[in-house]
Amino acid sequence: GAGVSQSPRYKVTKRGQDVALRCDPISGHVSLYWYRQALGQGPEFLTYFNYEAQQDKSGLPNDRFSAERPEGSISTLTIQRTEQRDSAMYRCASSHTSPGEGKKLFFGSGTQLSVL
Amino acid sequence: GESVGLHLPTLSVQEGDNSIINCAYSNSASDYFIWYKQESGKGPQFIIDIRSNMDKRQGQRVTVLLNKTVKHLSLQIAATQPGDSAVYFCAALEAGYSTLTFGKGTMLLVSP
Repeated sequence: GAGVSQSPRYKVTKRGQDVALRCDPISGHVSLYWYRQALGQGPEFLTYFNYEAQQDKSGLPNDRFSAERPEGSISTLTIQRTEQRDSAMYRCASSHTSPGEGKKLFFGSGTQLSVL
Repeated sequence: GESVGLHLPTLSVQEGDNSIINCAYSNSASDYFIWYKQESGKGPQFIIDIRSNMDKRQGQRVTVLLNKTVKHLSLQIAATQPGDSAVYFCAALEAGYSTLTFGKGTMLLVSP
């Protein structure tokens, strides 16, 4: 596609519900990253994939958060039993290079999650 | 770990002026740096990058300067335009790692 696509654009959910956020990276991009961005702050790393393999999940806050990229393209970030503190903008980014070759990330417009 | 910070939360300039946005990083092992521009409601957009084996790199109207001695980098925007109004983030990558660490951001406000 022309850019990184994320859906939904906005998600409002009740505390305790599960949510799934989708990311469709730029076609052919090897690496896919999930970041979380609070208002007025820089993006905070959550996890990333090379192809279908999850390389680093050290930024996931707790075990309610998980991500997958089963076919090496589209990725889903799942938050189980959501809490109000999970409310944030969740951003996906992709890169065509492998690690060590420069990390020029292309970001999507994000999913704004609001947990009531 | 890496901590990346910016010296000023907001920078106000007049159209046509040159803008300088500063960033400090803490990890001397960082060897790759990127500046991103984020407009309201949009994701961060790549502006320019620089590797640690360089101290200056120029793009179109933008220049990034890297001072490894004091772990500082800056973004210079020449002839600032209203369309340059946005939040600017610096990000650093530690050698051998694959995750960028972002700073908090500086909001650039350009007055006509």
